[in-house]
Parts: sequence; structure tokens; C-alpha cells
Amino acid sequence: KNQVEQSPQSLIILEGKNCTLQCNYTVSPFSNLRWYKQDTGRGPVSLTIMTFSENTKSNGRYTATLDADTKQSSLHITASQLSDSASYICVVSSNSGGYQKVTFGTGTKLQVIP
Amino acid sequence: DAGVIQSPRHEVTEMGQEVTLRCKPISGHDYLFWYRQTMMRGLELLIYFNNNVPIDDSGMPEDRFSAKMPNASFSTLKIQPSEPRDSAVYFCASSRWLAGTYSYNEQFFGPGTRLTVL
Repeated sequence: KNQVEQSPQSLIILEGKNCTLQCNYTVSPFSNLRWYKQDTGRGPVSLTIMTFSENTKSNGRYTATLDADTKQSSLHITASQLSDSASYICVVSSNSGGYQKVTFGTGTKLQVIP
Repeated sequence: DAGVIQSPRHEVTEMGQEVTLRCKPISGHDYLFWYRQTMMRGLELLIYFNNNVPIDDSGMPEDRFSAKMPNASFSTLKIQPSEPRDSAVYFCASSRWLAGTYSYNEQFFGPGTRLTVL
């Protein structure tokens, strides 16, 4: 069964500090992995997308890594800001029967405090 | 571009009533997705369309749910009859094909419709 597990479930950090969120998956066959940021009361916004051949992708202070061998991904946030407070969702897609299947993680809720 | 547009933003209805949620995707996008999000289950894909054709509806919870996409600029998600357990935020998202990867590109989400069924 395809699964995406994220850790930690929630995290509180001080403004200016770095943090790393984890995503482990058992999705097969793998197509791509995306990280989304979802602010409270809003729809998710894509941060990064990585295919099998990519092992790192950056978007400003956000850097995602992918290890397709161990089926792990991480999202590193550098010099956190209050506006980084949100839920971060890992989503893994597979190609099945000619179309995409997506499996969602349950998200990590990040709170950045002054 | 105005982004993905959803209406209504909030809907409160009584059990047994029909509910219709609407979505206008970003112009030029050929994929449209309907999601449901709850605290308990997180974000769930209900159905997605490619070029107005439903591709995968395996996430639709039961026959009370139906979705249509009569043209490239409009889609509806209908619940009939509605039940309290349908209360959730429903998101619509659209995307374009990502050439060379057998995948669709970044999905752009609408603001969501918060549905409450009493």
C-alpha cells in the first residue's frame, strides 16, 4: 500500500533558526515528490517538485532533498521567519495504469515564534 | 490571471440537501483536481480531469458525490444528499502537463469552499 509519512507532526522553533522536516514514502512506481506549504485558511502552495533524477531543489530559503534509494525526502528551512508558520505537506505521485496516483502525507505543522 | 476561482467560499446546509461547489481553473491548464481536507484525514484527492475527461475518480467517497467538467473553464462537485460527515474544506486545483516527465506540473489551488452540513 502506498504511504507517505511525515515527521515531526508539529514543531515550534525560534525565529531565525533553521529546521528540517522529514518525509518517508513507500510509493511505487515513483514519479515525483512535491512539497506544499499551506497557511491556515488557505489552499496549499507548491514549494518544490522533484523527479527521480533530481536530488535537491531550492526555492528561496526552502531546500528540498530526495533520496530515491532510501525513499526519503527532507525540507530544510533556513533562517526561519514568522511567515513560515504553516503546515508543510509532502505529496508523492506514481504512474499507475497510465495515469497519476497521488499519496499525501498528513503534514508537519510548523510554528515560528519571536 | 486571477488564479483558481471557487464558489461559494462558505456553505452551510442541512442534512439531505443538495450541495454544488463550483470551480474555474486557470486559463490554459489542462488538469483539474478536486480535493477534500479535514482535520482527521488531511488532504484527500477526490477526482481529477484531463482535458475535461475524468481520469481517476477512485477517491470519490460514494455515489452521493459526482463531478463534472462540461468545458475547460468550469467544473462542479455535487453532493446529493449531503450528510454531516461531508463537512470539510473542498479545494479545486489546476495544472498543466510537465513535458518530458510523464507528469503534470505544479498544481495551483483555489481558496477552498468550507462546507458545513448540519
